[in-house]
Formats: sequence, structure tokens, C-alpha cells
Amino acid sequence: GQQVMQIPQYQHVQEGEDFTTYCNSSTTLSNIQWYKQRPGGHPVFLIQLVKSGEVKKQKRLTFQFGEAKKNSSLHITATQTTDVGTYFCAGKNNDMRFGAGTRLTVKP
Amino acid sequence: NAGVTQTPKFQVLKTGQSMTLQCAQDMNHNSMYWYRQDPGMGLRLIYYSASEGTTDKGEVPNGYNVSRLNKREFSLRLESAAPSQTSVYFCASSAQSGGRAIGELFFGEGSRLTVL
Repeated sequence: GQQVMQIPQYQHVQEGEDFTTYCNSSTTLSNIQWYKQRPGGHPVFLIQLVKSGEVKKQKRLTFQFGEAKKNSSLHITATQTTDVGTYFCAGKNNDMRFGAGTRLTVKP
Repeated sequence: NAGVTQTPKFQVLKTGQSMTLQCAQDMNHNSMYWYRQDPGMGLRLIYYSASEGTTDKGEVPNGYNVSRLNKREFSLRLESAAPSQTSVYFCASSAQSGGRAIGELFFGEGSRLTVL
């Protein structure tokens, strides 16, 4: 069945360092979404990517969708303590499947 | 604008007890969803309603039932709770409708359920 794998499971960085989380699907996706969940909070939508090779930026966040539409990445430049949380990808084929998430902690 | 509101926020049940989680959205969204979140497993779809009057099974429907009461409300019922249903439950809604819907999801604050 459709699976979405996300790595790494955890990432601890020093404030100011960069951070990247990767999402890989076993099937070709029609689109992929990214969500952020703060500790104790609920997931909040960040972005949706639809086109092959698409790159979108939101301030220090860069999102990419692979050419084959089977993988995606989220890169944060110069992390801040406000970036702490778990980042989830969610890929849609027939159904939407969430990855297990990458928990980011940032040391000030 | 409250967005998506779910109740209760916390609940402790004994094995075999039943309960209903309530969810309401005030964004006039067409689709509503129930997810469960377990450590290391992300969010898994239990049931969804892609439009008023329809409901469909998601990835992990066993042990649950749902009711789309009207466009605003979507409830999740556990008829006979089991320890394996200990989880955090999130209700979500989206403007998209039809088919398997999705689009941008707006989540409620979550309901933490413990089954002893």
C-alpha cells in the first residue's frame, strides 16, 4: 500500500544552524503538503506543492517537490527557537498519507 | 471565528465503555476528518466525510463509527473502548469536497483519550 517515509525522526540543532527533513513516497504523488505541530499543539498547514520540481519559499523555509513527484524536502535556514516542533509531510495519491514527522529541537 | 472545536479535551475510559468525541467547524467547510496520532506514527485517518451526508472509512476505521450530523458537525464514537484506542484524536476540516477530498486541513486542538 501507499507509504510515506520521513527522515530523520529527530533533529537537534544549535540556533543558527540549518535543518532539513526529507519525505519519500512509495508511489507517485499528486501533491504533497507540509504541516508544523508545536509541542502540545495541533498541526498547522504550511504549504502544498503540486508540480514536478516545484520549489517554494516562505521566509527561511524552502520546500521542494521532486521531479518524479515521489519525494519532497523542507529546509530551514538559520534556525530559531521559534522553529521548534514536529514537521510532517503528507502525500496524496488516492489517499493522503502522513509521514511520521521530524521532531526539531533548537538549542539557544 | 473559533475554527475547529473539539470536545472533550481529555477523557479517561475503562475498557468496554463507550464515548463520543464531538467536533464542530464554523468555516462553512465541506469536508471533515477524524485522525488519531500515536508516537512515531504520524497522523492516521480514521473516517472522513467529503460532503454533508456522506462518510467513508479511512486508514484505521475498526472500532469506530462516525456521524456527519450536519455541515458543521462530525462526531466520532467508540462503542466499546480498548486500550489500543489510547491516543490523541484530531478533528480537521477542509473546504474541498467530493471524492476523497483533502485540500488544506484545519485541525482542532485535539482530544487526549486514555483507555485503561
